[in-house]
Amino acid sequence: KQEVTQIPAALSVPEGENLVLNCSFTDSAIYNLQWFRQDPGKGLTSLLLIQSSQREQTSGRLNASLDKSSGRSTLYIAASQPGDSATYLCAVEGYSTLTFGKGTMLLVSP
Amino acid sequence: DVKVTQSSRYLVKRTGEKVFLECVQDMDHENMFWYRQDPGLGLRLIYFSYDVKMKEKGDIPEGYSVSREKKERFSLILESASTNQTSMYLCASSPPGVRRSNQPQHFGDGTRLSIL
Repeated sequence: KQEVTQIPAALSVPEGENLVLNCSFTDSAIYNLQWFRQDPGKGLTSLLLIQSSQREQTSGRLNASLDKSSGRSTLYIAASQPGDSATYLCAVEGYSTLTFGKGTMLLVSP
Repeated sequence: DVKVTQSSRYLVKRTGEKVFLECVQDMDHENMFWYRQDPGLGLRLIYFSYDVKMKEKGDIPEGYSVSREKKERFSLILESASTNQTSMYLCASSPPGVRRSNQPQHFGDGTRLSIL
């Protein structure tokens, strides 16, 4: 059964820092890996989707990489801002559905 | 923009009641999903549907059922609500391509359900 782990569980940084969130998964037979953002009391917003044949995807200040063979992905956030404060969730899509990690709670202080 | 709408943001019900959670999407997506989210446990899939009148069990279907009579609407039913079903419930949809569309799931804002 697929298991997804996110490290760290929580992260607090000052504004302007570059930061990396980590995601690992146990079964490399995936179709894609997705990163989501969740604000308190809200649903999930899709940030990036990396297909299994791709190595990375970029959107603005966000860059996500995928190393399928080692079962790892990283989400890089450049020049962090207070508005980036949220929980970031990683999910892998296998044969039928998404399996989610428990998330990294990010706090960016002004 | 895709919109997934859940009928209630907050809901309070009593033990033993039959509870209906409704979800509607406006993008003609074939795939729809119900999750629950609990602190320390993350998101867990309850049921999903790939087409009208089709349903498949997720990881934690016990105590729940679903209905998909129309493509845009996916309902989650708690047959006899219990306190351990107090949770945040999230609905999602994704484009067609049966399973491997390589398109992200789109989520509603969630329903925070309390069972007293």
